[in-house]
Amino acid sequence: EDQVTQSPEALRLQEGESSSLNCSYTVSGLRGLFWYRQDPGKGPEFLFTLYSAGEEKEKERLKATLTKKESFLHITAPKPEDSATYLCAVQNQDQGGSEKLVFGKGTKLTVNP
Amino acid sequence: KAGVTQTPRYLIKTRGQQVTLSCSPISGHRSVSWYQQTPGQGLQFLFEYFSETQRNKGNFPGRFSGRQFSNSRSEMNVSTLELGDSALYLCASSLAYQWTGNGYTFGSGTRLTVV
Repeated sequence: EDQVTQSPEALRLQEGESSSLNCSYTVSGLRGLFWYRQDPGKGPEFLFTLYSAGEEKEKERLKATLTKKESFLHITAPKPEDSATYLCAVQNQDQGGSEKLVFGKGTKLTVNP
Repeated sequence: KAGVTQTPRYLIKTRGQQVTLSCSPISGHRSVSWYQQTPGQGLQFLFEYFSETQRNKGNFPGRFSGRQFSNSRSEMNVSTLELGDSALYLCASSLAYQWTGNGYTFGSGTRLTVV
């Protein structure tokens, strides 16, 4: 069964304290891996798409990397406004050719001033 | 440009009733997907519509159904509501079916509470 596991479930950081969030996956036919940010009461907001092992993408204080079995979201010198739940999702293709997004349960990040 | 619009934002229903949720995708987006989000299970895929046809379906009972109109707007229906159906229902749109490009754009969701 396709699975996406995110760790840790929750993470508290002080402002400026860099860290990484992990997303490990076991899916067949990976078409892409996505990172989303979700604020309370809102829908997920797209951050990155990664397609192949070795790929990296950056946006402000965030950097996403991908290996064959996991992805990392590195947060450099975070600010309180980076507090949110970060979701990882993989788009996989099943044997019948259908695709769907499989989400992890997210990492709730809190950045204290 | 306008984002994905979901209505209503909040709903309270009683067990056994049915409910219809609406989603208007970003202009030009032709694919609409629906997800259920709960604290215990996270986001789970319900179904995806493209060109008025259901292209893919998740592992939910037949009480959950949907449709898509010619203008790409979509509705989701849940019949015979159960307490466990209480969740945030999210709609996501994308340019095309099975599109990976810039990901899916999500609406803010409809918070359904079943009492």
